[in-house]
Amino acid sequence: RKEVEQDPGPFNVPEGATVAFNCTYSNSASQSFFWYRQDCRKEPKLLMSVYSSGNEDGRFTAQLNRASQYISLLIRDSKLSDSATYLCVVNIAGNDMRFGAGTRLTVKP
Amino acid sequence: DTAVSQTPKYLVTQMGNDKSIKCEQNLGHDTMYWYKQDSKKFLKIMFSYNNKELIINETVPNRFSPKSPDKAHLNLHINSLELGDSAVYFCASSQAGEQFFGPGTRLTVL
Repeated sequence: RKEVEQDPGPFNVPEGATVAFNCTYSNSASQSFFWYRQDCRKEPKLLMSVYSSGNEDGRFTAQLNRASQYISLLIRDSKLSDSATYLCVVNIAGNDMRFGAGTRLTVKP
Repeated sequence: DTAVSQTPKYLVTQMGNDKSIKCEQNLGHDTMYWYKQDSKKFLKIMFSYNNKELIINETVPNRFSPKSPDKAHLNLHINSLELGDSAVYFCASSQAGEQFFGPGTRLTVL
């Protein structure tokens, strides 16, 4: 089983749609969790950290379920500029970060 | 001001050559990383240094040798390059969780 698994997509949605991405991780001792965004031919950038209580940043909501070892990202009212690859990242111990393969999102007019 | 910089941005070379990629961060972070992103876009950790000390060394061929002369720099030297080394190599630094990535070095081995 991969350490961090994501549905690779692609997800093709119209502007204004709500889209959800899921991620599962295998190491139950994992300590912290993040969503990163990577645009084509660019470096990954932090989108948001994921907290146990769930957290929201504008149109983006992240949730963590430690019992099921599952993380989600919800994007509401999708914009064209949300088109990117979304990477689920898990800190399994210390500074050891493991990335999912990414989920590609394309938002169309 | 670039927080994490890498040079070169593009590197095209022949099989069997030795090459280096340099990375510098001006964020004052203690931890730096090298990642490899292959053609399938999977980002895989290679090495992590904390205050110039190697703390993570994934299953990477020993042709790859990281060097950290000080905590702001982490260079990657690759000996005897192979076709399978072609990828984008990202340097990153972090403190308290968030990672900041360099722009990447696209290595093509012919």
